[in-house]
Amino acid sequence: QKEVEQNSGPLSVPEGAIASLNCTYSDRGSQSFFWYRQYSGKSPELIMSIYSNGDKEDGRFTAQLNKASQYVSLLIRDSQPSDSATYLCAVGHGSSNTGKLIFGQGTTLQVKP
Amino acid sequence: GAGVSQSPRYKVAKRGQDVALRCDPISGHVSLFWYQQALGQGPEFLTYFQNEAQLDKSGLPSDRFFAERPEGSVSTLKIQRTQQEDSAVYLCASSLVGPNNQPQHFGDGTRLSIL
Repeated sequence: QKEVEQNSGPLSVPEGAIASLNCTYSDRGSQSFFWYRQYSGKSPELIMSIYSNGDKEDGRFTAQLNKASQYVSLLIRDSQPSDSATYLCAVGHGSSNTGKLIFGQGTTLQVKP
Repeated sequence: GAGVSQSPRYKVAKRGQDVALRCDPISGHVSLFWYQQALGQGPEFLTYFQNEAQLDKSGLPSDRFFAERPEGSVSTLKIQRTQQEDSAVYLCASSLVGPNNQPQHFGDGTRLSIL
C-alpha cells in the first residue's frame, strides 16, 4: 500500500461543474496536508493547506480533511479550462521531525469547454 | 528573486559523468528540501536541510548522491557517476521554518537527462 494514494485519472468535467479530487493516506500521525497544482512541464504550485478536521475554503477551492478516515479531498467549484492540470496531494510525514512531504502520484484533471 | 531559483533548467550528461544542481531558496527560508520527480509520478523526498545542517538524507537513493548547504542559503545537489535511472526532474523547495506544518514552495526544477 502506498503511503498517499490518489486516482491517477484523468478526471474529466465540463466547464462550470464541480471537480472533486480525493486522496487517502496511511500514516495516522500525519498533521499537515497540502494540495499542489502542477501544469505539464512546470513545478508544483501550492493551492491549499489544511491541518484540522473539516472544511477550508479559499475562493473556488475547498479542502476537506477527515483524520479518522485518513482522507483529504479538494473541491473546485465553477471549473475552468485553465484548471486543467495534475493535482498532487501531499502529506506531512507524521513520524518525521523534518517536515518532508509524501506525495501521491497526482490526479489529472481535464476541464472541457 | 521572489521565488525558489534552480539552475540549470536542463542538464544533459553522459552516463558516468558527475553533475551539480543548484538551488537558491526564498530569502529568509530556513528549511530547504530536495525532491526527485519521475515522469508521471509525484515528487519523492531526497533530503532536508535546516539552515546549514542536513537533518534528513533518508531519501537519497545511493551514495552517489550528495547534497550540501554550507552557508545555510544556496544548496547544491551533486550526483556522481550518473546512471540512466538518475534521469528525472530534481525539485528544490523551501519553507519559512521547519519542520512540519509549513507550506513548501517549489522551484521550477532541473530536468536531468542521462544518455
